[in-house]
Amino acid sequence: EPEVTQTPSHQVTQMGQEVILRCVPISNHLYFYWYRQILGQKVEFLVSFYNNEISEKSEIFDDQFSVERPDGSNFTLKIRSTKLEDSAMYFCASTTTSGSDYEQYFGPGTRLTVT
Amino acid sequence: AQTVTQSQPEMSVQEAETVTLSCTYDTSESNYYLFWYKQPPSRQMILVIRQEAYKQQNATENRFSVNFQKAAKSFSLKISDSQLGDTAMYFCAFMRANDYKLSFGAGTTVTVRA
Repeated sequence: EPEVTQTPSHQVTQMGQEVILRCVPISNHLYFYWYRQILGQKVEFLVSFYNNEISEKSEIFDDQFSVERPDGSNFTLKIRSTKLEDSAMYFCASTTTSGSDYEQYFGPGTRLTVT
Repeated sequence: AQTVTQSQPEMSVQEAETVTLSCTYDTSESNYYLFWYKQPPSRQMILVIRQEAYKQQNATENRFSVNFQKAAKSFSLKISDSQLGDTAMYFCAFMRANDYKLSFGAGTTVTVRA
């Protein structure tokens, strides 16, 4: 069964450093998402991406964040200068929205720890 | 913005018993989807069940069923014959039909006791 994969599973970085979180969505999917979950809190939408551009972003997704689909398979989230409060679990998700299939398939997540 | 409210932070249930998790949402949309996700300690997000707003019939998936009350904007999850593996955080989520973005509730931690 196809699945969304994410790398790395755990990233530790120092405050102020840049990090890139990587995701490989399911191959025939068209919509891609990043969500964030601070430990003990709810899952929050960050950004959606369709047709090689951002379709919607939340207020969390400020200028420090960017997304890219560099090669038609990977979907990346970059944080330019990490802050302590960026420590969270980051989930990538994808969906096809074709016909009756609107389910978002989640990757296993990347745990980001900023020290 | 859609608001999803889960009013029960924690629930405890005896193995083999039934537990019901509540969820309410606020929207002006007429076409949308609702979901329950399970998040075990591994923190993987696992889809449990989904419901299309245009369907009156409540969705069921094995031991999991929902009570969808569209007028009341209520979407509760019933777990029957609870098993130890059901221990997890459960999130209710709302998706608009025009952008497929998920909005999550705060979650309910379910503990199944042996």
